[in-house]
Amino acid sequence: QVQLQESGPGLVKPSQTLSLTCDVSGASISSGAYYWSWIRQVPGKGLEWIGYMFYSGSAYYNPSLESRLIISLDASNNRFSLKLRSVTAADTAVYFCARAGQKEINFDSWGQGTLVTVSS
Amino acid sequence: DIQMTQSPSSLSASVGDRVTITCRASQSISSFLNWYQQKPGKAPKLLIYAASTLQSGVPSRFSGGESGAEFTLTISSLQPEDFATYYCQQSYRMPLTFGQGTKVEIK
Repeated sequence: QVQLQESGPGLVKPSQTLSLTCDVSGASISSGAYYWSWIRQVPGKGLEWIGYMFYSGSAYYNPSLESRLIISLDASNNRFSLKLRSVTAADTAVYFCARAGQKEINFDSWGQGTLVTVSS
Repeated sequence: DIQMTQSPSSLSASVGDRVTITCRASQSISSFLNWYQQKPGKAPKLLIYAASTLQSGVPSRFSGGESGAEFTLTISSLQPEDFATYYCQQSYRMPLTFGQGTKVEIK
């Protein structure tokens, strides 16, 4: 059974870079069957897709975040990462990592989520 | 971007009730529609994909339907563990987008 676990700082200062990692167990991110994804949720609000990466290195980003965003894979450690630069208070959210199937692009496995607060 | 609009935004229902939530896309998305359940403090859980296919392990009281650009999630007999917020998500075109959510509360 696949498990995903987010990690990273819970507090980031405005204008700095938000960096999160998702450790994957029970499945290989190099298997080629899934997109490895990030989704966020402002507390009390809805879900926003951030982007995902395929094992080949192809990445798909939400245009609303694309200019500030990098998603990368680390196959040797079976993990993937998110970097969002120049953050503001509007980036305060719970960040989830998730796995998406290639065909229907549905998120069938999720991490528990980690709250990142942007504040000085 | 494809806008996903859910209705109602919230509803109150009793255990045993039949509940239907609607999700409408701003353009045709074929059957590229998924439904999730989220409980407070937890990650969303995939319930239905491709509009009507039940995810493995999800109780059969959940079902999905579609009619044109309108999709429905139906809970045939609401159980205590079903009180949660439900989201639809389209995967027809990038960027992937979610509905705003429907909160199902206890009457």
